[in-house]
Amino acid sequence: AQSVTQLDSQVPVFEEAPVELRCNYSSSVSVYLFWYVQYPNQGLQLLLKYLSGSTLVKGINGFEAEFNKSQTSFHLRKPSVHISDTAEYFCAVSWSAGGQFYFGTGTSLTVIP
Amino acid sequence: DTAVSQTPKYLVTQMGNDKSIKCEQNLGHDTMYWYKQDSKKFLKIMFSYNNKELIINETVPNRFSPKSPDKAHLNLHINSLELGDSAVYFCASSQPGRGETQYFGPGTRLLVL
Repeated sequence: AQSVTQLDSQVPVFEEAPVELRCNYSSSVSVYLFWYVQYPNQGLQLLLKYLSGSTLVKGINGFEAEFNKSQTSFHLRKPSVHISDTAEYFCAVSWSAGGQFYFGTGTSLTVIP
Repeated sequence: DTAVSQTPKYLVTQMGNDKSIKCEQNLGHDTMYWYKQDSKKFLKIMFSYNNKELIINETVPNRFSPKSPDKAHLNLHINSLELGDSAVYFCASSQPGRGETQYFGPGTRLLVL
């Protein structure tokens, strides 16, 4: 069965510190990978996505993610977080066999001043 | 120039009532979706339409009925509302195909009393 796992439900981090939010998936077919951010009381906004090519993907707001096929991971990173990065982050996978998205359970990032 | 809009933003109603949520997108996309986000932030797809045709219908009570009058609109009608229907409902749209980004509306916060 195919699945998406975000192991960390909550991640507190101090302002200007680096952060990594983890995402793993299980699949026997090719995948497309996405990270979305949801600010309080708002909809989801695309941060970045991996379709093919370079495994390091850069997105908006200084975020980047690396696709690792052997570890079936797509972890999100930022070298220095800001208070404004406090939000819920969702990893999503779309399998090549179909266009449907499957979302992880989300990681709540809290940046502490 | 909102890309994906939903009305109403908030909806408070009594158990047993019938209510509708409307969604419109001006992105020219052919595919539209309804998602439900529960109190733990878990996102689950409910329906997907491609050019007015239903293509995904997850395990959702038949009290929920989507309707797509044209490819720019996808409305969600809910009959006999129950307490467990309280959630945030998100509409999204994308071009059809694999790896396409989904664009989300701001959400409709439904509270059933």
